[in-house]
Amino acid sequence: NAGVTQTPKFQVLKTGQSMTLQCAQDMNHEYMSWYRQDPGMGLRLIHYSVGAGITDQGEVPNGYNVSRSTTEDFPLRLLSAAPSQTSVYFCASTTGGEETQYFGPGTRLLVL
Amino acid sequence: KQEVTQIPAALSVPEGENLVLNCSFTDSAIYNLQWFRQDPGKGLTSLLLIQSSQREQTSGRLNASLDKSSGRSTLYIAASQPGDSATYLCAVKGGSYIPTFGRGTSLIVHP
Repeated sequence: NAGVTQTPKFQVLKTGQSMTLQCAQDMNHEYMSWYRQDPGMGLRLIHYSVGAGITDQGEVPNGYNVSRSTTEDFPLRLLSAAPSQTSVYFCASTTGGEETQYFGPGTRLLVL
Repeated sequence: KQEVTQIPAALSVPEGENLVLNCSFTDSAIYNLQWFRQDPGKGLTSLLLIQSSQREQTSGRLNASLDKSSGRSTLYIAASQPGDSATYLCAVKGGSYIPTFGRGTSLIVHP
């Protein structure tokens, strides 16, 4: 049971490039979410999904797209990277009710 | 919309002190509240999970309480040590099942 996995661990992009951050979980969790963490800002919700085929926007969705074609995978796409997207990105999953939240190890993204 | 506030934002104390970190939330309809620790440049480590029906949870020198009706939780750290230096985050899981985080308390315990 690997829990929540994220790839890559670290990435450097140039402004305007696109990329996909991968997130996968093997716990059959319905709820998955993406956060970004910037200094002094805690974790802010980008997008989330309540099940395969269903996604919704969080607090800071601009510049990011998501899809949820399977229960296991929830990739985050940066269509045209900007320096303001330099951050640490965390993926999380959980089930409904009182189940705990599980987090991936994070992806550090630097946009030049 | 759930809002989570953590006070203080930063704390610097000498070794051995007992500490209280505060977390407040605006919507009391929650399923659970979770405290995390984060070391610089690292991921999140879960410390304590309190279900909505519980009043407190303990793990070693850590004790977390929850007062759902008043929208507050406290994390108590007994006999602090330099190794406790980290950022502490609280996350509230409400009706959407997606956690909402506070901005964290940055703790430094100096020898």
